[in-house]
Amino acid sequence: NAGVTQTPKFQVLKTGQSMTLQCAQDMNHEYMSWYRQDPGMGLRLIHYSVGAGITDQGEVPNGYNVSRSTTEDFPLRLLSAAPSQTSVYFCASSPTGVTTGELFFGEGSRLTVL
Amino acid sequence: GQQLNQSPQSMFIQEGEDVSMNCTSSSIFNTWLWYKQDPGEGPVLLIALYKAGELTSNGRLTAQFGITRKDSFLNISASIPSDVGIYFCAGQLYFGNEKLTFGTGTRLTIIP
Repeated sequence: NAGVTQTPKFQVLKTGQSMTLQCAQDMNHEYMSWYRQDPGMGLRLIHYSVGAGITDQGEVPNGYNVSRSTTEDFPLRLLSAAPSQTSVYFCASSPTGVTTGELFFGEGSRLTVL
Repeated sequence: GQQLNQSPQSMFIQEGEDVSMNCTSSSIFNTWLWYKQDPGEGPVLLIALYKAGELTSNGRLTAQFGITRKDSFLNISASIPSDVGIYFCAGQLYFGNEKLTFGTGTRLTIIP
């Protein structure tokens, strides 16, 4: 049972480097999102998508880009990493039109920017 | 943006004790949810509340949707070691809107 798969699990970058965090889900969920988790801040929404070809900004989108070319994949791109982007990143998905509010999360990707 | 404030930030309890935590918002939410995050994992849904005043249980967990729709409470009875983790509240503005606003989290530690 794969569910939501995130890669890599750990990454260390230098300031100014770029990278992509991968997220894939095999549940045919239309809604996908990226959150970052920082101590004392909880989970904050970065970007989200309600379906292939549709993306929108969340609460903290600056410094991040996303695209959604397929239902399954929702990569998060850091174009020029900064130390403030050191965090744990979670991808989450859910079916749309469902009122339960349940998001299915991946295991997280821990990013350190030096 | 909206923010959900959880308290306490952390709790240190002994096995068998009851636990209470709460979440408050400056805005009204139409759905309140409680998630738990085990170490090294992503959050998992524990309880969802859909109606103001609603009281819902899931085993030893009981959660309530505040009458004002600006707060929610989670109680855990007779804590056990596997209750360790971070508990997050989350609010959903309206049905069918998948965007959730999460609280700051309550970290629960059980002292041996």
